[in-house]
Amino acid sequence: GEDVEQSLFLSVREGDSSVINCTYTDSSSTYLYWYKQEPGAGLQLLTYIFSNMDMKQDQRLTVLLNKKDKHLSLRIADTQTGDSAIYFCADRGQGGKLIFGQGTELSVKP
Amino acid sequence: NAGVTQTPKFRILKIGQSMTLQCTQDMNHNYMYWYRQDPGMGLKLIYYSVGAGITDKGEVPNGYNVSRSTTEDFPLRLELAAPSQTSVYFCASTPDHLNQPQHFGDGTRLSIL
Repeated sequence: GEDVEQSLFLSVREGDSSVINCTYTDSSSTYLYWYKQEPGAGLQLLTYIFSNMDMKQDQRLTVLLNKKDKHLSLRIADTQTGDSAIYFCADRGQGGKLIFGQGTELSVKP
Repeated sequence: NAGVTQTPKFRILKIGQSMTLQCTQDMNHNYMYWYRQDPGMGLKLIYYSVGAGITDKGEVPNGYNVSRSTTEDFPLRLELAAPSQTSVYFCASTPDHLNQPQHFGDGTRLSIL
């Protein structure tokens, strides 16, 4: 079945760039999403990319999509302590259902 | 603008008890979803609904039931609570299944002891 994989942890220093990676298996993906989850909260949509795009930039966020390798990444420029959270990659699969990765816990050290 | 509202926020149940997790949205979204999130895991889809009167199973439906009598409400019922159902439950909604992102509630943290 469809699957989405992420590394579990990433630690960076404040001011550095963070790159969170994701791979997926569904060839029919139309949209791929990045969600942010802060402790004790629900999921907040950060950004998304349509499958016919290679890149999307939104302020400090850059999404790169390599459709051939089924690889998605989220780059956060000038990472701040407020960016510490769990980041989920999600693939909109067949029937519109979202398939989530396990989440990457980003820790930003001052 | 309330968005997706889940109640309760926390609950502790004894094994074998039943309860209903409430979810309501005020955005007139047709599609609604229930997920569970276990520690270190992503979200697993329990049930979803594409409109009032229509529900369908997701990836992990066993032990749960849902109903969708109105567009706004999508309650999730646990009939015989088991320790394996200890989790955080998220409800989400979206206008359609094409390109609109899902809006999430803040979650219900459920412990079965």
